[in-house]
Amino acid sequence: KAGVTQTPRYLIKTRGQQVTLSCSPISGHRSVSWYQQTPGQGLQFLFEYFSETQRNKGNFPGRFSGRQFSNSRSEMNVSTLELGDSALYLCASSLDQGTYNEQFFGPGTRLTVL
Amino acid sequence: QKEVEQDPGPLSVPEGAIVSLNCTYSNSAFQYFMWYRQYSRKGPELLMYTYSSGNKEDGRFTAQVDKSSKYISLFIRDSQPSDSATYLCAMSDVDYKLSFGAGTTVTVRA
Repeated sequence: KAGVTQTPRYLIKTRGQQVTLSCSPISGHRSVSWYQQTPGQGLQFLFEYFSETQRNKGNFPGRFSGRQFSNSRSEMNVSTLELGDSALYLCASSLDQGTYNEQFFGPGTRLTVL
Repeated sequence: QKEVEQDPGPLSVPEGAIVSLNCTYSNSAFQYFMWYRQYSRKGPELLMYTYSSGNKEDGRFTAQVDKSSKYISLFIRDSQPSDSATYLCAMSDVDYKLSFGAGTTVTVRA
């Protein structure tokens, strides 16, 4: 079974631009979560989508948004990029059945903002 | 103060040593406790998962959770060079939103 895939793997943008990152979950997984990983703040939860609806949200500004499609694929958008948005953006998917659902992470998209 | 505190290390041990990692947390609502391993240029992968307090063993790995002290640990016995990675503790409440520690970088010297 294929794992979580993220595209692109690397991205360079300049301040003020906007960016869209894509995540394809493991087949059959219905929940997709996004995380930002930086050396200073570590891994921080951005948001989670289930059945095309945002179900949970972290403490990030409105410039960070996402969506999920009917096939569970998800995209994340960051508008008006700032230098501090440089990070590894990780997507994780889970089955969302039962009381505990393991999250499987993709390799991430490394975003550099110049 | 962060919700989950983890000493970032780095930690360097000789092959065969026991690696001891720990995290403390402040949110009493956390019920699910996990340890992830992350190799360079890869996403985190789940090593151990524990629900509520107690111990769990899986091969060379042992996870301990003490909810009364808000303290969790991971022990790696007979450490190998292939265990060299960053180890992240993570916790969640019923909403499954993971809160991570900063990660501890471990190097096992051959």
